[in-house]
Amino acid sequence: DVKVTQSSRYLVKRTGEKVFLECVQDMDHENMFWYRQDPGLGLRLIYFSYDVKMKEKGDIPEGYSVSREKKERFSLILESASTNQTSMYLCASSSPGTGADTQYFGPGTRLTVL
Amino acid sequence: AQSVAQPEDQVNVAEGNPLTVKCTYSVSGNPYLFWYVQYPNRGLQFLLKYITGDNLVKGSYGFEAEFNKSQTSFHLKKPSALVSDSALYFCAVRDEGTYKYIFGTGTRLKVLA
Repeated sequence: DVKVTQSSRYLVKRTGEKVFLECVQDMDHENMFWYRQDPGLGLRLIYFSYDVKMKEKGDIPEGYSVSREKKERFSLILESASTNQTSMYLCASSSPGTGADTQYFGPGTRLTVL
Repeated sequence: AQSVAQPEDQVNVAEGNPLTVKCTYSVSGNPYLFWYVQYPNRGLQFLLKYITGDNLVKGSYGFEAEFNKSQTSFHLKKPSALVSDSALYFCAVRDEGTYKYIFGTGTRLKVLA
């Protein structure tokens, strides 16, 4: 079974702090994704990566950056956390395969910025 | 541009009755369509997907979905609902020419005993 793990289930930070969210997958997947989930808005893509050191902006990249130094690890960085970044953050991975690749999700990190 | 619509925020159904959760989509090319389920405080779990071929797709936990190209819909169905099916359901679409998935806003399913 594919396993995607996220470093924290719950995180509380203060405004202005630098925040790191880590995601690790164990299935050698090429693609990795970071989403945020907010009630009534569904999942919105922040960034994705299709290879080591490669990244593409998603729909809401402002205030975030990412790092992918190793294939299995994809980090989301909040350079200076703000209260409007309080949300559930979900990491996912997938492999291109047949072209209709299934995304596998981690359990999520619920971030609260005070 | 890709888009997905889940027109119902919540669907209530009695246990044992059939259930339908609606999804419509818009893509420029051929769509890859997905359904995911999310239980409280958990990540999303894959239920089923449509790539090509048979319009009726069968997935996990007795769920199925019907792809209708003319109506651009991909509704999720189950013949007999269980209380344990109560969860948040997401439809997603990916255009074959991109890496990006677009998710709907989710439909909360409540199955009443």
